[in-house]
Amino acid sequence: EVQLVESGGGLVQPGGSLRLSCAASGFTFSSYWMSWVRQAPGKGLEWVANIKQDGSDKYYVDSVRGRFTISRDNAKNSLYLQMNGLRAEDMAMYYCATGFGSHGHWGQGTLVTVSS
Amino acid sequence: DIVMTQSPDSLAVSLGERATINCKSSQSLLSSSDNKNYLAWYQQKTGQPPRLLIYWASTRESGVPDRFSGSGSGTDFTLTISGLQAEDVAVYYCQQHYNAPPAFGQGTRVGIE
Repeated sequence: EVQLVESGGGLVQPGGSLRLSCAASGFTFSSYWMSWVRQAPGKGLEWVANIKQDGSDKYYVDSVRGRFTISRDNAKNSLYLQMNGLRAEDMAMYYCATGFGSHGHWGQGTLVTVSS
Repeated sequence: DIVMTQSPDSLAVSLGERATINCKSSQSLLSSSDNKNYLAWYQQKTGQPPRLLIYWASTRESGVPDRFSGSGSGTDFTLTISGLQAEDVAVYYCQQHYNAPPAFGQGTRVGIE
């Protein structure tokens, strides 16, 4: 059974940093593009970033480029999102998901709250 | 960047009736190399992560009931729920994955009339 378990969310002040993690199991992690998708409270889905199987290609939505960094460790079956310079508009549930797009599997999400 | 626009923003349909959601992309999602439309549909119920329903515009994901169908090509796509059930109340999203960023539409809320 495919499992994606996010962690690392929490309350952070504006300008602060968080590192999200996603532990994957039940599939060959190193064979998949992986993505982060977020959803602000009461809002729609927003794709944030994705990373190629070997980490050689990465893409970001314009609003986070330069502040967020996506990475992966295939030996640990883990995906990460380093978030710096957090803003109020970054407050959301963050999901990790398989695939460049057409995301077949999703985690339950980790909540990031940005507030002073 | 490709922009995805869904219509309507919300709709209410009687149980057993048809629900139709439209999705329009600002650029063609049809790849000339493999003749596939890079368009996916998701269902999100309250408090849950999204669920992939349809990929390649018209291929149902494993386990998805056959009352869900996708159609369209190029820039215009449709998700049809034939015979709405109570458990289909949700928000539905389209997403292009033709290129980066793989943007979502704004979502369509489907309820019971």
